[in-house]
Amino acid sequence: GNSVTQMEGPVTLSEEAFLTINCTYTATGYPSLFWYVQYPGEGLQLLLKATKADDKGSNKGFEATYRKETTSFHLEKGSVQVSDSAVYFCALRLEGGSEKLVFGKGTKLTVNP
Amino acid sequence: GAVVSQHPSRVICKSGTSVKIECRSLDFQATTMFWYRQFPKKSLMLMATSNEGSKATYEQGVEKDKFLINHASLTLSTLTVTSAHPEDSSFYICSATRRVWPEAFFGQGTRLTVV
Repeated sequence: GNSVTQMEGPVTLSEEAFLTINCTYTATGYPSLFWYVQYPGEGLQLLLKATKADDKGSNKGFEATYRKETTSFHLEKGSVQVSDSAVYFCALRLEGGSEKLVFGKGTKLTVNP
Repeated sequence: GAVVSQHPSRVICKSGTSVKIECRSLDFQATTMFWYRQFPKKSLMLMATSNEGSKATYEQGVEKDKFLINHASLTLSTLTVTSAHPEDSSFYICSATRRVWPEAFFGQGTRLTVV
């Protein structure tokens, strides 16, 4: 079946450290891939997306590249800030058909000053 | 991005009463809305998919008589938790999308506490 696997964490970093959160997926065809971020007590916000192989999504210093060959969409940021502390969800949407998103279990990131 | 508004953000109700949560797409017409429940360990559980003018499609294990979903228009879906019990206490989140979009947009979430 279709699924998303991401490192569950928690991940704790110091400010200005480099961040990687791994995400791999299993899906038929060419899904669209997303990273969503959830700040405490809030809903999810779309952080970035990529809709085809080799696309790079980027926003607010975060990047992720759609790698079809490794079925991965790892999230990276070169220098994290305290304000990046949140839960990050990797997700996919299948090509055509259902509009459902398939989510990973989320990764909690804490950035310390 | 598009804006989805969810109301209320917090609600406390007595056991046995019903609670209605609204989800509105403010600047677009949503072909589909989704309702999720989020558990303390952060995982999201899809409860149901809602299309305007048709009955909601519930995920396996979700009681359709307990979680009533009405999708009255292309901009509004409601979730009613009927005869709420303390175990229904949770964080409920809606999302909305259009068929031509790859992404979905989420509401702010509703923290339901049943006492």
